Amino acid sequence: QQPVQSPQAVILREGEDAVINCSSSKALYSVHWYRQKHGEAPVFLMILLKGGEQKGHEKISASFNEKKQQSSLYLTASQLSYSGTYFCGTLQGGSEKLVFGKGTKLTVNP
Amino acid sequence: DVKVTQSSRYLVKRTGEKVFLECVQDMDHENMFWYRQDPGLGLRLIYFSYDVKMKEKGDIPEGYSVSREKKERFSLILESASTNQTSMYLCASSLHGGNTEAFFGQGTRLTVV
Repeated sequence: QQPVQSPQAVILREGEDAVINCSSSKALYSVHWYRQKHGEAPVFLMILLKGGEQKGHEKISASFNEKKQQSSLYLTASQLSYSGTYFCGTLQGGSEKLVFGKGTKLTVNP
Repeated sequence: DVKVTQSSRYLVKRTGEKVFLECVQDMDHENMFWYRQDPGLGLRLIYFSYDVKMKEKGDIPEGYSVSREKKERFSLILESASTNQTSMYLCASSLHGGNTEAFFGQGTRLTVV
């Protein structure tokens, strides 16, 4: 079962902030975040492994609330290069099957 | 430089044909995945393999099968291609342990006519 992402799409101006949310109806033990630029393969951003953990990558950070079964990706002072589709992924059913949400398309305009 | 290589970038096949999509990784990863990507539906898992000859169904396995005879190679098979299997197919691999980075191939754009 795919995790649920929101919003589906975001349009920003350079320098603005954005938050992308990822939630699951099942218990989460970890959350993966990836970014895919148009015509390219998805690229790894970060994995959050513990409840309450926060990690950062450039001006992109994320939090993971294990109790609420959700994660949020924070994009601060967005740059044109942040444009793309962001996917969250979770492990399914006690195995190492990695399943992804439907993605959030982020567009950063000058 | 780590690599996941898919054999074709673009493929056009006829309805009813048997189609093989090949994926090779050079990182000695145990886990390999096949996803299908369609607009608005995200990345949907077709099959997952965690070792040679070991596989698990993903969310949309119908109409597909897989083969993993060697650790580095994972093949997706469309037994009888249909037009609703026209899509972008992405292969990925990761180390055993679950919470490790997945590396993706460039994708194969399959069109079934």
